Amino acid sequence: AQSVSQHNHHVILSEAASLELGCNYSYGGTVNLFWYVQYPGQHLQLLLKYFSGDPLVKGIKGFEAEFIKSKFSFNLRKPSVQWSDTAEYFCAVNALDTGRRALTFGSGTRLQVQP
Amino acid sequence: KAGVTQTPRYLIKTRGQQVTLSCSPISGHRSVSWYQQTPGQGLQFLFEYFSETQRNKGNFPGRFSGRQFSNSRSEMNVSTLELGDSALYLCASSSKISGTDYEKLFFGSGTQLSVL
Repeated sequence: AQSVSQHNHHVILSEAASLELGCNYSYGGTVNLFWYVQYPGQHLQLLLKYFSGDPLVKGIKGFEAEFIKSKFSFNLRKPSVQWSDTAEYFCAVNALDTGRRALTFGSGTRLQVQP
Repeated sequence: KAGVTQTPRYLIKTRGQQVTLSCSPISGHRSVSWYQQTPGQGLQFLFEYFSETQRNKGNFPGRFSGRQFSNSRSEMNVSTLELGDSALYLCASSSKISGTDYEKLFFGSGTQLSVL
């Protein structure tokens, strides 16, 4: 079964700092990859997704992620964070050829941006 | 368009009781999935329904069950509650059942279940 690892559980940054959140998955077949974000008091929402094509995908609010197949990674980046980026970030994978429609989520990274 | 609606928002139950949670998907969405979110385990897939049929099931015991109605609304039931069932239960809906757009899930705010 596939699994997703997010090694940073809690990240604290100052505004304008650059962000990179790590995400690694374990599955050898074809995958779709996602980053979801959960702002305080709000529901989970899609930040960006990778299905195929350009491995560098851009999402909302200036976020981007790069799929590196050889490293089984899908790291999330943002050049300059804002206080409003304080949230919990979840990486997720869907293994396409398992015949099973279900997202496997990482345990999440709590990002705290200090003004 | 209204989002995914889950009721109730909070529930407190005692061990051994059973509970039913409700989810109304976005209008027109026919696929409904359920996830359990806990601080230790993160989000874990429970099951997915489409057209009143369970299509996928996660690795949860049989105490966890669900169903979907003809109007796509879904319920999740947990019988014989245990302390470890305390969690945020999230429902998500999707408009497509095949192709790449399936995985664009729209989540509700969840039902926070506390088992005492």
